[in-house]
Amino acid sequence: AQKITQTQPGMFVQEKEAVTLDCTYDTSDQSYGLFWYKQPSSGEMIFLIYQGSYDEQNATEGRYSLNFQKARKSANLVISASQLGDSAMYFCAMREREAGTALIFGKGTTLSVSS
Amino acid sequence: EAQVTQNPRYLITVTGKKLTVTCSQNMNHEYMSWYRQDPGLGLRQIYYSMNVEVTDKGDVPEGYKVSRKEKRNFPLILESPSPNQTSLYFCASSPRGVSGNSPLHFGNGTRLTVT
Repeated sequence: AQKITQTQPGMFVQEKEAVTLDCTYDTSDQSYGLFWYKQPSSGEMIFLIYQGSYDEQNATEGRYSLNFQKARKSANLVISASQLGDSAMYFCAMREREAGTALIFGKGTTLSVSS
Repeated sequence: EAQVTQNPRYLITVTGKKLTVTCSQNMNHEYMSWYRQDPGLGLRQIYYSMNVEVTDKGDVPEGYKVSRKEKRNFPLILESPSPNQTSLYFCASSPRGVSGNSPLHFGNGTRLTVT
């Protein structure tokens, strides 16, 4: 079974609109961390935001926020006020405490922002 | 500038010709890892290292070797490359060991083509 599932291969949004990228995860660990990365067409991997399993508040970083629903095992990324530069591939990833430090990645969602 | 440096950025080689992709980080990170990225599969871990002289297999280690003789360097070695190792490779590092909110810091990637 996949540990990280991103069900949206592609998403389309207009500038200034908000968009939600879905991520569900599967773990039996109580302690784990969830990460989102952005990969623009140039290829580099850019860390966006982190949510710990014990964090009570949803993480926010500028225009990025993480909608963390622990009981549903979902960690959706919300991008507010989309910009053209947000067009990229987005990866959700998880680090399980018991599995060491490996980040397990989902297959990614391609976001396209149009003017 | 704190960074993970991979070389080369692009490499085209032929089946069976040994190659090494170098990776160096200047952040004094203990943890280093190699991932490969393939379309539709996301990123999959090849090998990782918790510290000097400590390496372990990830999810897809077949056909690869690594070494960690110094803290800053973590080269990836393909002794006899095959076409199915054509991929985008990322080196990454992190300051912490087992858990925590430390994101992985990625290099810019090496696009390898094996003909």
